[in-house]
Formats: sequence, C-alpha cells, structure tokens
Amino acid sequence: GQNIDQPTEMTATEGAIVQINCTYQTSGFNGLFWYQQHAGEAPTFLSYNVLDGLEEKGRFSSFLSRSKGYSYLLLKELQMKDSASYLCAIPGGQNFVFGPGTRLSVLP
Amino acid sequence: DAGITQSPRHKVTETGTPVTLRCHQTENHRYMYWYRQDPGHGLRLIHYSYGVKDTDKGEVSDGYSVSRSKTEDFLLTLESATSSQTSVYFCAISEFTSGLAGVGRGQNEQFFGPGTRLTVL
Repeated sequence: GQNIDQPTEMTATEGAIVQINCTYQTSGFNGLFWYQQHAGEAPTFLSYNVLDGLEEKGRFSSFLSRSKGYSYLLLKELQMKDSASYLCAIPGGQNFVFGPGTRLSVLP
Repeated sequence: DAGITQSPRHKVTETGTPVTLRCHQTENHRYMYWYRQDPGHGLRLIHYSYGVKDTDKGEVSDGYSVSRSKTEDFLLTLESATSSQTSVYFCAISEFTSGLAGVGRGQNEQFFGPGTRLTVL
C-alpha cells in the first residue's frame, strides 16, 4: 500500500520562498504528482516527478528523491493568490493515493 | 481545462433518502473516479471505473454504488444517505491508468470536476 505525509499548515510572507515537503512509502513507485487546490475549488495539476532531481516550472519547482521517499514543492516570489492547499499524490494500481494536503497561507 | 461537469453542484437531503450524483466528461477518457474530501482526511477514493460497465471499489466504498453505462457518464449513488456522508464529492478522469505512469511511460495526471457539496441532515 501507500502512505503519504505532509505538514498540515504553513504560513509565509508575500515575496518570500516556501518549501512544502511530502514523504511517502510505497511498494512500487510510478511517479509523484503535486496538485494545488484553492478553497472551494477542485484540485488542479501542478507537476509530476518520476526521476530524481528538480523540475522547474516558472515560480514553482518540484524535487524528488526516490531513495529517501521524499519530495518537495518550492514556491518562489510568493503571491497572495498562492494561498491554497497543496496535495502530493502517488499512483497506486489503477488509482491515486493523496496526501492530507498542506494549507499555505500567504500574508502581506 | 478538461471537460468535466458534475451535477448537482449543491444538494441538501435528509437521512435515509437515496441520492445520485452525476459526472459527465467530454474528453473520452477511459478512467473515471469518485472521491470524497473531508477536513483532516484529504481526498479519499470511493469507486473508480476503467471502462463502460467496469468498476471497482476504492478505500471508502461502503454505502455507495456506481454505474457507468456510457463512456462519458459516471454516476455515484448513495442508497440511503447518512449524516456521515456529508462531504464534498469530486469526480476525476484520466486517460490512462495511474499504474502505467512512470519512466518511459509518461505521466497520467487526473483532471477534476468542480465538485458537489452534499449535506445530509
């Protein structure tokens, strides 16, 4: 089976950098996904990592270490609109297993 | 955005009544999923479908049934709603099974519908 852990809440200041961690245990690894979910809305896809290292996509980057069962999402130049929950997810069989999500609050 | 709609978007019902939620997609994706999302639990899979008339149970399937008679529609039924089924329900679709994601096989993200907020009194 799969097990995923994330911090429950984080707070950061506008313009700063924040790192959201995700640790996981899985019997078979098929990549790791990050989703963003604004309050009252559906999750939307942010990034996918299947090989070790950093994937950069604009202000957002995602890192993976398969040997450590660890990933993080790095958000740079934080904006107020980045206040949301961030979910990591790993494929398991024919479906996904989602972590509990990290609620990020960006303060002015 | 992937073409996924859910109906109704909001529903209030009473304990013991049957409820059906509909998910409709225009992407012709093979895989469809129903999740519920509750504070402290995140997204949990209820049922999923890997083709017309092919469905299977997820992590929290008790009290729920599903049907998929057409590629584009996936219905979730609460046979006799209970207060513990008060939740936000999300439908999702994907082109391939998540188990096929990985090195050399590409990614397979799920696309989510807007959600249905269900309250059972």
